[in-house]
Amino acid sequence: AQSVTQLDSQVPVFEEAPVELRCNYSSSVSVYLFWYVQYPNQGLQLLLKYLSGSTLVESINGFEAEFNKSQTSFHLRKPSVHISDTAEYFCAVSFFSSNTGKLIFGQGTTLQVKP
Amino acid sequence: GAGVSQTPSNKVTEKGKYVELRCDPISGHTALYWYRQSLGQGPEFLIYFQGTGAADDSGLPNDRFFAVRPEGSVSTLKIQRTERGDSAVYLCASSLAGGLQETQYFGPGTRLLVL
Repeated sequence: AQSVTQLDSQVPVFEEAPVELRCNYSSSVSVYLFWYVQYPNQGLQLLLKYLSGSTLVESINGFEAEFNKSQTSFHLRKPSVHISDTAEYFCAVSFFSSNTGKLIFGQGTTLQVKP
Repeated sequence: GAGVSQTPSNKVTEKGKYVELRCDPISGHTALYWYRQSLGQGPEFLIYFQGTGAADDSGLPNDRFFAVRPEGSVSTLKIQRTERGDSAVYLCASSLAGGLQETQYFGPGTRLLVL
């Protein structure tokens, strides 16, 4: 079965510390990978996505994620977090076998940045 | 331009009642998705429209749920004989053409509470 797993439901971290949010997926077919972010009292918005080419993708606000096909992972990292990064982060996958753009989401990880 | 809008933002109803949730996608987007997000979970796919037709309704949980998009823009999700388990945030998203690699733009959601 196709599924997405985010291994950590909550990640507390101090400001300016590095962080990694983990995402693994289960699939026997090719995938596209997404990270969406939900800031407090706001809707989901795209943070970054992997489609093809370089396995390392970056966002405009300093996050990066690396696609690892052998480990079926797409972990999100940031070398130094800010208070404003406090949000819920969702990993999502679209599977080539679906023929539609529907996304399968992980359970979400709450990133809590402390001063 | 305007983003995806959803109305109402909150809906409280009694068990057994009928509810309608509305989604107004980004102008020009032919693809429209409905997701349901239960507390502490990631969004779960319900149905996908390409234009006026439901191209994939595999995520609808049962026949109490129905959705329409008669003119290829606004969509309505209809829930008959609501149950307490239907309580969740219902999210709508749209994308330009429904491709697997496309970014989906999410609305703020409708929070449904069934008493």
